[in-house]
Amino acid sequence: DTGVSQDPRHKITKRGQNVTFRCDPISEHNRLYWYRQTLGQGPEFLTYFQNEAQLEKSRLLSDRFSAERPKGSFSTLEIQRTEQGDSAMYLCASSPPAGPIGGGYTFGSGTRLTVV
Amino acid sequence: AQSVTQLGSHVSVSEGALVLLRCNYSSSVPPYLFWYVQYPNQGLQLLLKYTTGATLVKGINGFEAEFKKSETSFHLTKPSAHMSDAAEYFCAVTSGGSYIPTFGRGTSLIVHP
Repeated sequence: DTGVSQDPRHKITKRGQNVTFRCDPISEHNRLYWYRQTLGQGPEFLTYFQNEAQLEKSRLLSDRFSAERPKGSFSTLEIQRTEQGDSAMYLCASSPPAGPIGGGYTFGSGTRLTVV
Repeated sequence: AQSVTQLGSHVSVSEGALVLLRCNYSSSVPPYLFWYVQYPNQGLQLLLKYTTGATLVKGINGFEAEFKKSETSFHLTKPSAHMSDAAEYFCAVTSGGSYIPTFGRGTSLIVHP
């Protein structure tokens, strides 16, 4: 297992288009997190899955955002009708059942979204 | 509710000098604390973490941090800075059943030759 994988690494899209990102967590990790990071800021929490269940969503996750984790494996994050304010790095992280005690959080390399 | 404050958005040191990056947290329950490092256009890499037990935690690349409950702090130190330490450093806290980490705004470490 090589860690958390995110695809694509970079995405440039025109305003108003839909985009979808994929995250493949570490196979034995049942918890999966999505974060957004803008320039000069720390990661901001978007949403969290435990297995296939989406247990928590941030107020940052507007109606244009949707995330899924079918079968509790990989996850997708879709942004509909993109806006320039959506330009950011989207980070995915996973953790084992014991969370911080079990080994902490492993982050992927992120997907850099640029909306033009 | 939990939060993290990182004092100083930029810290500049000379190569070989002591590195000190400050982190204060707020948590209503016993916290779990983390330091992550991020290089340009990369994800976050775990440096070290505190969960329970010994309050002085040693991490990778010679970094260490001390959990001080009375001061609600978890400052990151390294005795001697190296050029390769130049990066963005993030402190994070989590607690409670959901274990969702909250991150600080980050501190950019600049190392001068």
